[in-house]
Amino acid sequence: DVKVTQSSRYLVKRTGEKVFLECVQDMDHENMFWYRQDPGLGLRLIYFSYDVKMKEKGDIPEGYSVSREKKERFSLILESASTNQTSMYLCASSLPGPGLAPENEQYFGPGTRLTVT
Amino acid sequence: DAKTTQPPSMDCAEGRAANLPCNHSTISGNEYVYWYRQIHSQGPQYIIHGLKNNETNEMASLIITEDRKSSTLILPHATLRDTAVYYCIVSDPLYNTNAGKSTFGDGTTLTVKP
Repeated sequence: DVKVTQSSRYLVKRTGEKVFLECVQDMDHENMFWYRQDPGLGLRLIYFSYDVKMKEKGDIPEGYSVSREKKERFSLILESASTNQTSMYLCASSLPGPGLAPENEQYFGPGTRLTVT
Repeated sequence: DAKTTQPPSMDCAEGRAANLPCNHSTISGNEYVYWYRQIHSQGPQYIIHGLKNNETNEMASLIITEDRKSSTLILPHATLRDTAVYYCIVSDPLYNTNAGKSTFGDGTTLTVKP
């Protein structure tokens, strides 16, 4: 079974802190994604990566950056956390190929609930 | 990006079929329809996908209209454990990369009642 793990289930940080959210997948997937989920807004894509050291902006990249130094690990970085970044953060991975490939379903981690005070 | 529209919530009696609709009127010819669900406090879970033919697996059935502008996810015998948020997603192939960028909408909160 595909396993996607996230470094923390719950995290509390102060405004202005630098925050690292780590995601690791064990299925050798090329694609990895970071989403945030907020009540009434559904899941929104922040960044995704289709290969090591490659990244693309999603729908809401402002205030975030990412790092993909190894294939299995995709990190989301909040350079200076703000209260409006309090959210549930979900990482996902998938096989390569364009979206029309039926094998491209995404496997999600359990999520990190981040609170910025 | 092709966007999807789903009702915000639905109820279903336990043991009955749950039919969850999704509109995707701007879907393009090569885009697939995917369904995921998210049970409280867990990450989303893949259910089923389709292009233009109806599909069935051990979890659900997917009915796609002939014009592909809408689809329905069917849970044939809903149980209390099917209570979740259900997301209908249209995959969006990026022309210049290998990544499939998918857009998640707000989903439908399905509540299965005893």
